[in-house]
Amino acid sequence: GESVGLHLPTLSVQEGDNSIINCAYSNSASDYFIWYKQESGKGPQFIIDIRSNMDKRQGQRVTVLLNKTVKHLSLQIAATQPGDSAVYFCAENKETEGSQGNLIFGKGTKLSVKP
Amino acid sequence: NAGVTQTPKFRILKIGQSMTLQCTQDMNHNYMYWYRQDPGMGLKLIYYSVGAGITDKGEVPNGYNVSRSTTEDFPLRLELAAPSQTSVYFCASSYGVRNNEQFFGPGTRLTVL
Repeated sequence: GESVGLHLPTLSVQEGDNSIINCAYSNSASDYFIWYKQESGKGPQFIIDIRSNMDKRQGQRVTVLLNKTVKHLSLQIAATQPGDSAVYFCAENKETEGSQGNLIFGKGTKLSVKP
Repeated sequence: NAGVTQTPKFRILKIGQSMTLQCTQDMNHNYMYWYRQDPGMGLKLIYYSVGAGITDKGEVPNGYNVSRSTTEDFPLRLELAAPSQTSVYFCASSYGVRNNEQFFGPGTRLTVL
């Protein structure tokens, strides 16, 4: 069936390096792709989203890239800090009746930042 | 604002017992959600509500019930607990047309033995 998934379950980076977290999706009809961060013992926290008609969107220290040709989504974190250590989930959403619908989450990638 | 609050934080149930997970938000959000998160997995939607008096099933509703009598509260009821319901449960809320940005509570860790 259609699903949102991730290439790598774990990623370890050195503090100060850039991190790239990847996600593959199969539902071409999704209107939005979203990244969430979940720190240990906490609920997920919204990071950034991108509409399907965009290729790139930047936030504070984060950039999301969308490649619709290969159905690939990535989250880039610049100058990774220890506080970035968490599990990162990609999710997709399809608009229904003029408003955004319900999120479908992937399995997550655990990012560990080495000091 | 306290955001989204959930009680209890932890609970152990015996098979067949019932319980209600409480969720309250003080952001005046119309949309509220219940998710479950199994170990090493993403979140799966159990039920959601687009406003007081309106609820609908998500991806995994079996074994659960919800009600939404006020904008603030969205309790989740487990009637006959089963080991398969051992999970971490998250409540979330969002603005009506900005569902991409959902605000999550801290979660309830439920174990059914």
